[in-house]
Amino acid sequence: ILNVEQSPQSLHVQEGDSTNFTCSFPSSNFYALHWYRWETAKSPEALFVMTLNGDEKKKGRISATLNTKEGYSYLYIKGSQPEDSATYLCALGGSNYKLTFGKGTLLTVNP
Amino acid sequence: ETGVTQTPRHLVMGMTNKKSLKCEQHLGHNAMYWYKQSAKKPLELMFVYSLEERVENNSVPSRFSPECPNSSHLFLHLHTLQPEDSALYLCASSPGGGMNTEAFFGQGTRLTVV
Repeated sequence: ILNVEQSPQSLHVQEGDSTNFTCSFPSSNFYALHWYRWETAKSPEALFVMTLNGDEKKKGRISATLNTKEGYSYLYIKGSQPEDSATYLCALGGSNYKLTFGKGTLLTVNP
Repeated sequence: ETGVTQTPRHLVMGMTNKKSLKCEQHLGHNAMYWYKQSAKKPLELMFVYSLEERVENNSVPSRFSPECPNSSHLFLHLHTLQPEDSALYLCASSPGGGMNTEAFFGQGTRLTVV
């Protein structure tokens, strides 16, 4: 059974703060690493899909890094805004259609 | 709007009822999925269809029965469910089976079994 761990479980920050979360996974089972943002009453939406060790991806104020050898990925948000409030999900992609999700990090950005 | 539509958004059913959840995508994707999210648990994969053929059944009880009549539609037929089956059921699609491309999710059906 694959174990995808996310920390912290929840996080409260003030508007303008920068923040980051961690996703840990068994490095021997790596195929692809996904990050999704899930706002309340909406669909989970993909932020990044990363496959290469050392990969770094950026979308606006959000960026992610990947270390497949040690089995972790970081998601960074620079200058958090209230609209960034959401649950951020990490998932490990396999070659057989499977996405194994972590429990997510719930981010609340206070104005 | 992700291009994946689920109906209904909310469903309350008794334990002896039969109901169906519907999912539709017109993204041209070949793979479609059912996920379940229970309280305080991660998203759990239930079923995967690729090109209308079921390729994964993640040890799901037979009271859940999927159907994929074509590559754009996916159903989850529900029969004699238990209260512990109450959860959010999410449908997703992706271009292919290798999970190095993103999945597109619907908004989910909130199911309550009474």
